[in-house]
Amino acid sequence: AQKITQTQPGMFVQEKEAVTLDCTYDTSDQSYGLFWYKQPSSGEMIFLIYQGSYDEQNATEGRYSLNFQKARKSANLVISASQLGDSAMYFCAMRALETSYDKVIFGPGTSLSVIP
Amino acid sequence: NAGVTQTPKFQVLKTGQSMTLQCAQDMNHEYMSWYRQDPGMGLRLIHYSVGAGITDQGEVPNGYNVSRSTTEDFPLRLLSAAPSQTSVYFCASSYFGGLSYEQYFGPGTRLTVT
Repeated sequence: AQKITQTQPGMFVQEKEAVTLDCTYDTSDQSYGLFWYKQPSSGEMIFLIYQGSYDEQNATEGRYSLNFQKARKSANLVISASQLGDSAMYFCAMRALETSYDKVIFGPGTSLSVIP
Repeated sequence: NAGVTQTPKFQVLKTGQSMTLQCAQDMNHEYMSWYRQDPGMGLRLIHYSVGAGITDQGEVPNGYNVSRSTTEDFPLRLLSAAPSQTSVYFCASSYFGGLSYEQYFGPGTRLTVT
């Protein structure tokens, strides 16, 4: 069965520093997609970045990059040059086809606080 | 283009009452899903649909029913509300047929069952 683990319930980072948010996943599928979403205190869900299981390069989107290590089944999010607006909950998610149709499941999330 | 809309935004129910949470999208997405968000547990998948007339169970389907009669709408029914169903509910939609499609989320419905 699909499973996402995020072992850091809360993280602190100094403004302008880089931070890595951990995500490990489990699936029996060879083909899957990995996503990161941000949820600010206002509550909306914002898509940040995507990595496909067959992508050879790590995904990057502006200050976000995804450190994908397929053999270790990890997909860590790296935020460079943290800003105060990065304070939010961050969720790792996976889309895989394990039964009849592909479904998307989420991890428990990491709360990031950026300190001035 | 409204994206994904959810109604109501807030709801208080008494134990045993029934209600329907509404979700609609105007992006012609085949794939729609319902999640509940509880502190420390992230978003847990309740039910999802890959098109009109096709639904499947997620991780926590008990106590919830869904149906999908149109591409645009995917209502979630609570048949007999319980305090354990107090949560924030999110509806999401995406294109279907590829694993790279990100989901678009509604603003959420905060439900309290007393």
